[in-house]
Amino acid sequence: GQNIDQPTEMTATEGAIVQINCTYQTSGFNGLFWYQQHAGEAPTFLSYNVLDGLEEKGRFSSFLSRSKGYSYLLLKELQMKDSASYLCAVCDSNYQLIWGAGTKLIIKP
Amino acid sequence: GAVVSQHPSWVICKSGTSVKIECRSLDFQATTMFWYRQFPKQSLMLMATSNEGSKATYEQGVEKDKFLINHASLTLSTLTVTSAHPEDSSFYICSARGLLGDTEAFFGQGTRLTVV
Repeated sequence: GQNIDQPTEMTATEGAIVQINCTYQTSGFNGLFWYQQHAGEAPTFLSYNVLDGLEEKGRFSSFLSRSKGYSYLLLKELQMKDSASYLCAVCDSNYQLIWGAGTKLIIKP
Repeated sequence: GAVVSQHPSWVICKSGTSVKIECRSLDFQATTMFWYRQFPKQSLMLMATSNEGSKATYEQGVEKDKFLINHASLTLSTLTVTSAHPEDSSFYICSARGLLGDTEAFFGQGTRLTVV
């Protein structure tokens, strides 16, 4: 079956760095997405990786290793507003998005 | 990114009534639209996938007669929750995808449905 795993919850300190991991097993691969979702709101797009390596976008970076079925989202210089759930999603061979359960990130002052 | 507009943002209805939620792609043609529901503190759960002009494909366990999906045009899909019950109270989110094979899906703002 298809499976996306990510930690349920993480806690970090304002100003610090946090890495949220995601491992996947899917039928085919057409890219991996990271979305941010604040409580009560729809997800918003953060990043898309389809080739191995690191994609940097401001304070957020996303890494992909297709051979390992692994990705991480790196958040630097954490701010209180970064408190949210972070969803990992993989686009499979049918171009369907397979969603992880999300990682709730709690930022403490 | 592309814009997907979903409304209403929130709705309260009486048990037994029907509620229609609209999802519009404003600046692109959405060949495929997805409808999700999300219970508090849980992940997105795909309910159905609809391609313009054809019947929606429902996920296992989703009643197609209860959750009616219409995707009559390339810019509009609707989800109608028929004979709503309190257990249908949830956050419903649509997303739209453009050209076939285009991987990214753009989300609407979501609809908070409360059935009383």
